[in-house]
Amino acid sequence: EAEVAQSPRYKITEKSQAVAFWCDPISGHATLYWYRQILGQGPELLVQFQDESVVDDSQLPKDRFSAERLKGVDSTLKIQPAELGDSAMYLCASSPGTEGTEAFFGQGTRLTVV
Amino acid sequence: GDSVTQMEGPVTLSEEAFLTINCTYTATGYPSLFWYVQYPGEGLQLLLKATKADDKGSNKGFEATYRKETTSFHLEKGSVQVSDSAVYFCALGWSSNTGKLIFGQGTTLQVKP
Repeated sequence: EAEVAQSPRYKITEKSQAVAFWCDPISGHATLYWYRQILGQGPELLVQFQDESVVDDSQLPKDRFSAERLKGVDSTLKIQPAELGDSAMYLCASSPGTEGTEAFFGQGTRLTVV
Repeated sequence: GDSVTQMEGPVTLSEEAFLTINCTYTATGYPSLFWYVQYPGEGLQLLLKATKADDKGSNKGFEATYRKETTSFHLEKGSVQVSDSAVYFCALGWSSNTGKLIFGQGTTLQVKP
C-alpha cells in the first residue's frame, strides 16, 4: 500500500543548530503539506506545495524555516537555527490535489531541541 | 477565522462502553468535516468525513453527523474496544483543498479492559 515516507523518525538537536526533515509523498500526488504538531495540540499547517510551487506559506516562520520541493516530488523542511520552542512532531501529507480527494499523512518526525 | 473546538480529555472508558467526543466548529461557508485518529507513535489516519449538512460519516463502528444548525460534528461509537485507545482529532477543510485542514486540539481516549 502506498504511503507517505518521512525521515528521520526522531531527531535530537542542540539549539542554534540546523536541522532538516525529508518527505517523499505518494507517487503521483501533486499537493504536499507540512504540518507542525506541538505536544498536546492539533497539527497546524506550515506550508503547502502544488507541484514545485509554494501556494501557502502564511504560517511558516520564514526567518528560520524554509521548505523546498525542487522537482515537484520529494520535499525538505529546514530549520536554522533551531530553538527550544521548535520541539514538536513535523508531519508531511500529500494528496492528488483534485476535488474531494483525501490527504494522506506520514508517520512524522519527532524533533527535540535541547 | 475558522476554528475547531473539541472536548478536553482524557476520556477514560471501560470496554464496550458508549463513546461520544464533542466537536464544534466556526467557519465561513460550508466546509467539509473530518475525524482523524492518531495511534501512539504514528501519523494521522482519516477515520471518517462528511462533506455537507446532514451527511453522516461512518467507519469501523464510528459515526458522526454534520449538523449545520448546531455547527457540530460529534464522534460516537456504540461499543469501544481497547484497540480504540488513541488520540482523536476533529478537523475542517474544503473539498477544493482537502489537505489544508484546521484541527481541534485532540481528545485522548483510553479504553480499559
